Amino acid sequence: QVHLQQWGAGLLKPSETLSLTCTVSGGSLREFYWSWIRQPPGKGLEWIGEINPNGSVNYKRTLRSRVTISLDTSKNQFSLKLSSVTAADTSTYYCARRAVDYFDYWGQGILVTVAS
Amino acid sequence: DIHLTQSPSFLSASVGDRVSITCRASQGINTYLAWYQQRPGKAPNLLIFGASTLQRGVPSRFSGSGSGTEFTLTISSLQPEDFATYYCQQLNSFPPTFGGGTKVEIK
Repeated sequence: QVHLQQWGAGLLKPSETLSLTCTVSGGSLREFYWSWIRQPPGKGLEWIGEINPNGSVNYKRTLRSRVTISLDTSKNQFSLKLSSVTAADTSTYYCARRAVDYFDYWGQGILVTVAS
Repeated sequence: DIHLTQSPSFLSASVGDRVSITCRASQGINTYLAWYQQRPGKAPNLLIFGASTLQRGVPSRFSGSGSGTEFTLTISSLQPEDFATYYCQQLNSFPPTFGGGTKVEIK
């Protein structure tokens, strides 16, 4: 059974860099695509970006200048960095596995709050 | 980006009711549509992919239909654990996008 466990800082100040990591167990990062998705409090889901087993990335156009997704296959982990955060980046952040055209496994989610 | 519009946004129903949720795409997406259930404080859970294929372990009271621009999620007999928010998602073309959600509450 595939399991995604994520961690990272939950409280940031404006202009800081958000940093989250997702560890995959029960499966290999050498297959499928690995995504980050966020959800502002009380709102819907927004795809942020993804990385494939070769390390190629795709990012949401409006976030591209601030996002970096990376892969560490030796640790079976992938990570998200989002720079220059503002209050608008306050959300629950999820890591997820993309199988073809849907997301079949998700991390537990981490609420990241940006406040001064 | 492809925009997905769900209706209704909110649905009040009773245990045992048959309920349907619609998802309309701003352009044709073949059958590259998935449905998720999200309970409060939890991650979304995949119910259906390919518009109509039930994810393993999902009860058969859930079903999906449609192609092109209009899709439907149906719950044949609502159970207490089905009160949640439901989202559609497409990946006919990048980026993946989600509908705004339909919250199903107890009448």
